[in-house]
Amino acid sequence: GAGVSQSPSNKVTEKGKDVELRCDPISGHTALYWYRQSLGQGLEFLIYFQGNSAPDKSGLPSDRFSAERTGGSVSTLTIQRTQQEDSAVYLCASSFGLAGVGYEQFFGPGTRLTVL
Amino acid sequence: KQEVTQIPAALSVPEGENLVLNCSFTDSAIYNLQWFRQDPGKGLTSLLLIQSSQREQTSGRLNASLDKSSGRSTLYIAASQPGDSATYLCAVRAGGFKTIFGAGTRLFVKA
Repeated sequence: GAGVSQSPSNKVTEKGKDVELRCDPISGHTALYWYRQSLGQGLEFLIYFQGNSAPDKSGLPSDRFSAERTGGSVSTLTIQRTQQEDSAVYLCASSFGLAGVGYEQFFGPGTRLTVL
Repeated sequence: KQEVTQIPAALSVPEGENLVLNCSFTDSAIYNLQWFRQDPGKGLTSLLLIQSSQREQTSGRLNASLDKSSGRSTLYIAASQPGDSATYLCAVRAGGFKTIFGAGTRLFVKA
């Protein structure tokens, strides 16, 4: 498809389990972002990937959160030992990327994570 | 620390009315500002992107302005329609790679 895709669209898990969320960016986009949107809250930046550069992980809320991007394309956000406060919609976005230049971000539909 | 504020938090207007949504940011050192709409249960749709060197951008009935020195942006919607009902978010791309979002303005356009 032409847009950013995410899977799964919904994920229900039990507290303490690990989850993996996937993002397929738009082809040719070198920059990829993960955000979290909790109920009634604004979007919270989590992590940013740009090409082969070291990712900006400054938004990850704890060491239970990690993300990787393989081959400069698909990204996986992993949450270990999930907690109820991790329940949120996780959004992925991609853009062209160039240091010092801001390109338009295009968002995927999100993954709604519910931790019971 | 960059903070983004959107006013009002919610707005209800009759169909056909022109309206303005406001966004303010505390640090004027930005690369760009982007306006999005979010429909319930959906992802974000990009509306307009204004680079730091630009003053405004227009797309159809939408016009966004940027005043970096005062830390303000406005989104003007002309001749509002019920289909415009959504949450409107502004986001600033500051130093590094972070994008900081406002909490949004929930717009309801009554038929």
